[in-house]
Amino acid sequence: DGGITQSPKYLFRKEGQNVTLSCEQNLNHDAMYWYRQDPGQGLRLIYYSQIVNDFQKGDIAEGYSVSREKKESFPLTVTSAQKNPTAFYLCASSTPRGTVLGEKLFFGSGTQLSVL
Amino acid sequence: AQKITQTQPGMFVQEKEAVTLDCTYDTSDPSYGLFWYKQPSSGEMIFLIYQGSYDQQNATEGRYSLNFQKARKSANLVISASQLGDSAMYFCAMREALGNQFYFGTGTSLTVIP
Repeated sequence: DGGITQSPKYLFRKEGQNVTLSCEQNLNHDAMYWYRQDPGQGLRLIYYSQIVNDFQKGDIAEGYSVSREKKESFPLTVTSAQKNPTAFYLCASSTPRGTVLGEKLFFGSGTQLSVL
Repeated sequence: AQKITQTQPGMFVQEKEAVTLDCTYDTSDPSYGLFWYKQPSSGEMIFLIYQGSYDQQNATEGRYSLNFQKARKSANLVISASQLGDSAMYFCAMREALGNQFYFGTGTSLTVIP
């Protein structure tokens, strides 16, 4: 079955440590997204990518980095510069702009990141 | 300005009753899509229903319907015959034709009371 796989489900970060969240999709989607979810604040866009080797900052990109070397993969690194990383992180994918407007976002099951 | 506004942080509904979750949006793009997602406590995001800006009729999917009032820029979700399994967070989202971002509201927490 096609879908999005996020790993790990739970992740703990120590002070000063970079951690990487994995996101893999087999839906053949060009566009991929990373969202951060804090209680009461909904989903906020961190980064998105419309095509391999290209990505754009979202609303809260500071302290995060991404890469898009393969169509299927869009890993997110939470760097030590992100001072408040505790949150639920959701990866998603969709068809890109100019195709089908009604094509929805498909989501992974999320990663809960906590600071030790 | 907020692209998507959900003004109800929490809602309660009696089992088997209908409930309306509010959503208003802001865009100058004449072509856009509106989505509703459900997020149970497990964290997964479940797509519920979609409405296109040019769709003449309100979208329906089983017990879910979307009350689309274009002039008022509102896209309220109506859940009929509520079930205990409907207890979850509900998010309204919008995608504009001219961009590739999806904009989300802050969500409404729905609790179904037996």
